[in-house]
Amino acid sequence: ETGVTQTPRHLVMGMTNKKSLKCEQHLGHNAMYWYKQSAKKPLELMFVYSLEERVENNSVPSRFSPECPNSSHLFLHLHTLQPEDSALYLCASSQGYEGAAEAFFGQGTRLTVV
Amino acid sequence: KQEVTQIPAALSVPEGENLVLNCSFTDSAIYNLQWFRQDPGKGLTSLLLIQSSQREQTSGRLNASLDKSSGRSTLYIAASQPGDSATYLCAVRFHSGGYQKVTFGIGTKLQVIP
Repeated sequence: ETGVTQTPRHLVMGMTNKKSLKCEQHLGHNAMYWYKQSAKKPLELMFVYSLEERVENNSVPSRFSPECPNSSHLFLHLHTLQPEDSALYLCASSQGYEGAAEAFFGQGTRLTVV
Repeated sequence: KQEVTQIPAALSVPEGENLVLNCSFTDSAIYNLQWFRQDPGKGLTSLLLIQSSQREQTSGRLNASLDKSSGRSTLYIAASQPGDSATYLCAVRFHSGGYQKVTFGIGTKLQVIP
């Protein structure tokens, strides 16, 4: 399998649940990203990992917790979410984090919080 | 503030027309600019990446230009086809106080009518 793969594709969870989103990249990249895409809003960068170290955390609430166990896997752990957290969550990867890095995206996880 | 604007928000054209999508950004200190395509409920597909030192990039029927001094990029689509219907997103990687920041526009939703 090639590219960036996200699972699950769809997730419905209650506000008291704990769930995790998974992202795997098969491109040999060393940087991975989580983005949130809400309706009628630009993509919002949530977290960036470069060489398995978190390099950006853009004021994201603590109910979102990222984990990068190795350069090809990225998780987003979710707990006590709010309905306004319902969105498309996109994972991306790139070779290098700086300068000319071209980003490749997964298909996203459509999250609905009820 | 580093912002990215895409106008129009939506565009509908008959099949076969040539068309231009616009992206403007507020700060000329950029590393690169990337155009993506997004189909409904799906992830992003990279179309073209233009480095700050380049003026244009071409891939098949697509041509992207970059004018840093005026803060503008255009995506030209020749001989449009119904399969080109999608949302087109522009992403700019800005210099940001010694770091980098990728900012997305909200996108232009294109419909090509058979």
